[in-house]
Amino acid sequence: DTGVSQDPRHKITKRGQNVTFRCDPISEHNRLYWYRQTLGQGPEFLTYFQNEAQLEKSRLLSNRFSAERPKGSFSTLEIQRTEQGDSAMYLCASSPPQGKNYEQYFGPGTRLTVT
Amino acid sequence: GQNIDQPTEMTATEGAIVQINCTYQTSGFNGLFWYQQHAGEAPTFLSYNVLDGLEEKGRFSSFLSRSKGYSYLLLKELQMKDSASYLCAVRDSNSGYALNFGKGTSLLVTP
Repeated sequence: DTGVSQDPRHKITKRGQNVTFRCDPISEHNRLYWYRQTLGQGPEFLTYFQNEAQLEKSRLLSNRFSAERPKGSFSTLEIQRTEQGDSAMYLCASSPPQGKNYEQYFGPGTRLTVT
Repeated sequence: GQNIDQPTEMTATEGAIVQINCTYQTSGFNGLFWYQQHAGEAPTFLSYNVLDGLEEKGRFSSFLSRSKGYSYLLLKELQMKDSASYLCAVRDSNSGYALNFGKGTSLLVTP
């Protein structure tokens, strides 16, 4: 399968714990995005990488959130001291460098439940 | 930021045509996208408009009027599997390549 993959698919954690999610984009896609989606809402943009550089962060990304893409390939999203309000689906998407760079391909998401 | 509005729910009959509208407000329009999302799954790309007019792709078509801040997604020959949420998203040149999504329109196709 050559699509965007995310791990884990589901995560249940207790409030106050730290969690880390991983996203593997489509090979040779240099652009990578993280979104958060809650029930009944559209995805909300969190952050964007071009290669290893984090070029944009939403104000939704509080200081408890950090994202990395160390080698310009896979990315991780870490949430520290989780809160119940962090419960959501975390979606990763990638897009190619040029040409059809308008299309973002989404992964299956990681569903986080904070108890 | 953007204000993206689309109806919350729509119902249509199998074999019929349905039009899902989307209005938006943005300071630096740089493309409008439609995505389909089945429950519990990731959004999948349907269409992209950056110039005014109609883009047709099989049973799906998307229209854009930049002056009116308006788009619609037209689904023809509806099938039961078209029951899903349809997300309108706008890209703003001031926000890089990030997409700003509406809340989605939940479409139910009935027999």
